[in-house]
Amino acid sequence: GAVVSQHPSRVICKSGTSVKIECRSLDFQATTMFWYRQFPKQSLMLMATSNEGSKATYEQGVEKDKFLINHASLTLSTLTVTSAHPEDSSFYICSARASDRGNIQYFGAGTRLSVL
Amino acid sequence: AQSVSQHNHHVILSEAASLELGCNYSYGGTVNLFWYVQYPGQHLQLLLKYFSGDPLVKGIKGFEAEFIKSKFSFNLRKPSVQWSDTAEYFCAVRNQGGKLIFGQGTELSVKP
Repeated sequence: GAVVSQHPSRVICKSGTSVKIECRSLDFQATTMFWYRQFPKQSLMLMATSNEGSKATYEQGVEKDKFLINHASLTLSTLTVTSAHPEDSSFYICSARASDRGNIQYFGAGTRLSVL
Repeated sequence: AQSVSQHNHHVILSEAASLELGCNYSYGGTVNLFWYVQYPGQHLQLLLKYFSGDPLVKGIKGFEAEFIKSKFSFNLRKPSVQWSDTAEYFCAVRNQGGKLIFGQGTELSVKP
């Protein structure tokens, strides 16, 4: 199956700092990527939809100035958690949609963010 | 609002037992249906999908699912589970807007 690489897999940072998470589609081009947040024992909640070359679309309740998304190329989207606080600690997962494969979404392995 | 409901939070089975995980969704239009699996420490992987046609779809690793439109259901089944099937299973629905909506997930533990 298609491969989506997400980096880093785990990050620990101090409160107030910013953290950047990268998501790459390795063997296909993805005009659309998605960012999810997963709380323990809960489902994946869509945060935003990232479209190559345009602004991301954020879900209701997600602060766009807090979670900056950049989708500068067909294989890379980044999520930056700005001025992170402990309540931002979570598991963040990216997904890329392969338009040449029936629009199947392939997922990265996730990033565990811990804000101290 | 559109939603996906998985009936079981945690299922514990012995090896060789049969498995059925329930999934219901609320959306009246055309949908695409998916089951994803997340093995411990790994990323979500697609098990199977339904877009159209035969409502009984077969996926990888011996899994299958049946789409019953009248019941808004897409239950996942496997005749005989193995210890290696221990994982978290997510049902998901994609509506015409293109967003994937996930159920809460079902943790499956298979005892050897």
